[in-house]
Amino acid sequence: EDQVTQSPEALRLQEGESSSLNCSYTVSGLRGLFWYRQDPGKGPEFLFTLYSAGEEKEKERLKATLTKKESFLHITAPKPEDSATYLCAVRISGGSQGNLIFGKGTKLSVKP
Amino acid sequence: DGGITQSPKYLFRKEGQNVTLSCEQNLNHDAMYWYRQDPGQGLRLIYYSQIVNDFQKGDIAEGYSVSREKKESFPLTVTSAQKNPTAFYLCASSRQGAIYEQYFGPGTRLTVT
Repeated sequence: EDQVTQSPEALRLQEGESSSLNCSYTVSGLRGLFWYRQDPGKGPEFLFTLYSAGEEKEKERLKATLTKKESFLHITAPKPEDSATYLCAVRISGGSQGNLIFGKGTKLSVKP
Repeated sequence: DGGITQSPKYLFRKEGQNVTLSCEQNLNHDAMYWYRQDPGQGLRLIYYSQIVNDFQKGDIAEGYSVSREKKESFPLTVTSAQKNPTAFYLCASSRQGAIYEQYFGPGTRLTVT
């Protein structure tokens, strides 16, 4: 069964304390991996798309990387405004064009 | 500014009533999607549409219906047949093609009592 697992479920950091969020997947043919940020009560905000192992994308304090089995979202020197839930989703080959498989998310809290 | 709008932000209904959630986009995207989000679960796909006058069921379509009469609009009706309608509903859109990212609206929180 195609599956996306995010860990940890929740992560508490002090401001400036760098860390990584993990998204592991077991799917039959990856066609893209997507990272989103979601604030409470709002829709997810698109961050990155990764297509192939070894690919990296960066945006401000965030860097996303991809291997054949997992993706990491690295957060460097986080600030309180980085607090949010980070969602990972994958699109698989053979799946319908509408079908993204989402993980349950990692809730990040950054304390000043 | 281009984007996706959903209305209303909060919606309250009595059990047994049908309710329609609005989704409009001005991004000129061909594909549109409806997801449901429940606490502790990943987003689940309800319906999607790749082109006007065509749509397909997602993983949890039972108790829902949609229409796609215009490229910009993709309303979702939650019918009385949906057993657990209380949830956060998210609309998204994307360019045509499997490789493109989806952009989400702000969501509608539906409460049915």
